[in-house]
Amino acid sequence: DADVTQTPRNRITKTGKRIMLECSQTKGHDRMYWYRQDPGLGLRLIYYSFDVKDINKGEISDGYSVSRQAQAKFSLSLESAIPNQTALYFCATSVTRGGAQYFGPGTRLLVL
Amino acid sequence: GESVGLHLPTLSVQEGDNSIINCAYSNSASDYFIWYKQESGKGPQFIIDIRSNMDKRQGQRVTVLLNKTVKHLSLQIAATQPGDSAVYFCAEIITGTASKLTFGTGTRLQVTL
Repeated sequence: DADVTQTPRNRITKTGKRIMLECSQTKGHDRMYWYRQDPGLGLRLIYYSFDVKDINKGEISDGYSVSRQAQAKFSLSLESAIPNQTALYFCATSVTRGGAQYFGPGTRLLVL
Repeated sequence: GESVGLHLPTLSVQEGDNSIINCAYSNSASDYFIWYKQESGKGPQFIIDIRSNMDKRQGQRVTVLLNKTVKHLSLQIAATQPGDSAVYFCAEIITGTASKLTFGTGTRLQVTL
């Protein structure tokens, strides 16, 4: 969905490195989310934000941090990447709390 | 615990036939359900949604059925096309709360020619 963009689309990094994944949206939605997707495990919520001043941990927030720089921007950081953080990462947005979420194209991350 | 799951991991359907993808949910408090389609290398794409006060909703070539008695959700795709090949998964949530969207792991739909 071109309304939600993620950069980079692919990233290879080494254990211990700090990396940032960025998400931007033009949908005008207040709520933004970060998920990771692993084979056989489906989508798991890392962090979510209901507005610029609101940040909440999801089910697997350990090892991650986020920053909501503006309504349209929500970035995810891995402070010290480890191999089991190798996954597909998706950003999503929604209009309402508890409503349908719209996803970006994803970032494929490989941690060596 | 609460769970959202799919009965079949892989569904193979011939082009032109109808497809039915099933989903079971266990949280009786969930009142909003969404079907997503995820093609290889892409993010999940919203297909159709349904609220718990409905038992059927139709879109373009897709129909979602909700049976709250047995906590079952299905996605029907009419006249399945090769472009329908993807992973489909359902999600549930309690609207108006901070509850997270709970996703199933997905069913892969393979369309054969």
